[in-house]
Amino acid sequence: AIRMTQSPSSLSASTGDTVTITCRASQDISTFLAWYQQKPGTAPNLLISAASTLQNGVPSRFSGSGSGTDFTLTISGLQSEDFATYYCQHYYGYPRTFGGGTRVEIK
Amino acid sequence: EVQLMESGGSLVQPGGSLRLSCTVSGFTVSSSFMNWVRQAPGRGLEWISVIYSNGNTYNADSVQGRFIISRDNSKNTVYLQMNRLRDEDTAMYYCARVSLYTDVNGYTAQGALDIWGQGTMVTVSS
Repeated sequence: AIRMTQSPSSLSASTGDTVTITCRASQDISTFLAWYQQKPGTAPNLLISAASTLQNGVPSRFSGSGSGTDFTLTISGLQSEDFATYYCQHYYGYPRTFGGGTRVEIK
Repeated sequence: EVQLMESGGSLVQPGGSLRLSCTVSGFTVSSSFMNWVRQAPGRGLEWISVIYSNGNTYNADSVQGRFIISRDNSKNTVYLQMNRLRDEDTAMYYCARVSLYTDVNGYTAQGALDIWGQGTMVTVSS
């Protein structure tokens, strides 16, 4: 199975900051990579697919990049509603493993 | 409106069985790829099972031989039959739809999980 390694596991930031989360796959997955946001007590929500394609309604301050094994999620100008946990997941076949998650907290 | 609604979660003893349901509205399960994903309390997301539009299924190693995914097209519902439950199966269980897209070769391909239910809680404890 493909392993997905996210870093950091948590970070503290202030509104207006730019934060970057990284995700590394244990093998080449091309751009078959998604990012999800999850707020406490709610289901995950798809933000980005194909490594860099924003879903409808997702603010443009979110961006994704990367291909192969290394990927990043960047939030430019953090807003209060962005404090949440973020997960990457590959969809290069099954099992579709998730990264361990990155919790973005208020500093 | 596209919606997924899970049900069936409860408290069950180790070794017991439970069947979860995911009732779908706004699209048909028979033409979709449907997944189950779980999340233990305070932990990350774990993908566990998929049923293809053609009925093929695939499970994670952690549940292989114990959990069975199926669907009833007439009820537009996907199920997860969970047998020989263990303490470590305690989690919130989500169903989710795989998005479909046309790839560069003109084939329909599976994308990310674009629609999720609200989840149903399973607690395995004596």
